[in-house]
Amino acid sequence: AQTVTQSQPEMSVQEAETVTLSCTYDTSESNYYLFWYKQPPSRQMILVIRQEAYKQQNATENRFSVNFQKAAKSFSLKISDSQLGDTAMYFCAFGTGGGADGLTFGKGTHLIIQP
Amino acid sequence: DAGVIQSPRHEVTEMGQEVTLRCKPISGHNSLFWYRQTMMRGLELLIYFNNNVPIDDSGMPEDRFSAKMPNASFSTLKIQPSEPRDSAVYFCASSLQRGGFQETQYFGPGTRLLVL
Repeated sequence: AQTVTQSQPEMSVQEAETVTLSCTYDTSESNYYLFWYKQPPSRQMILVIRQEAYKQQNATENRFSVNFQKAAKSFSLKISDSQLGDTAMYFCAFGTGGGADGLTFGKGTHLIIQP
Repeated sequence: DAGVIQSPRHEVTEMGQEVTLRCKPISGHNSLFWYRQTMMRGLELLIYFNNNVPIDDSGMPEDRFSAKMPNASFSTLKIQPSEPRDSAVYFCASSLQRGGFQETQYFGPGTRLLVL
């Protein structure tokens, strides 16, 4: 079974600052995928970024990038030039390869962007 | 695309009543997932379907919970009888499985269930 750990229950930064959210996971799988989802107060789950474990290059999506350290089983999310709209819960999630499968989620980090 | 559609968005019911949650996946997607979110347990997978067939229901808490997917565009999650501890947000998600890859799951807006 897979486990996902997010060690920061809450973080607060000033607008325009850069913030990094941490995520570690444990698995014996060699083929897997990692995701960051954002959940604003509306409760909608929104995909932020995904990383395939077989890819060495870190994924980026505009202001969002990841630092994927496969050997350390670490998958952190960096948000650059943070905006008020980035205020939300952020969930790290693990999915096995080999086809459609349910995701295993971390407990989440509540990110607050201060004006 | 309309995205994943869930109904109702909010449901308040009394203990012992039957509750039915509904989901319409994104058109063309062949995998559907039901998750539950609570403060205590976070986001948990309840069950998922591939090509309308239940693949893994090990996350379904007990026999009071059942899920069906009669066709590619509709799924239900039923709780009978409901209990206060079933109060949670229930999410439906769908994805398009192509070969042996884990495709991105797209979530619906969720159904907030309160059992009194």
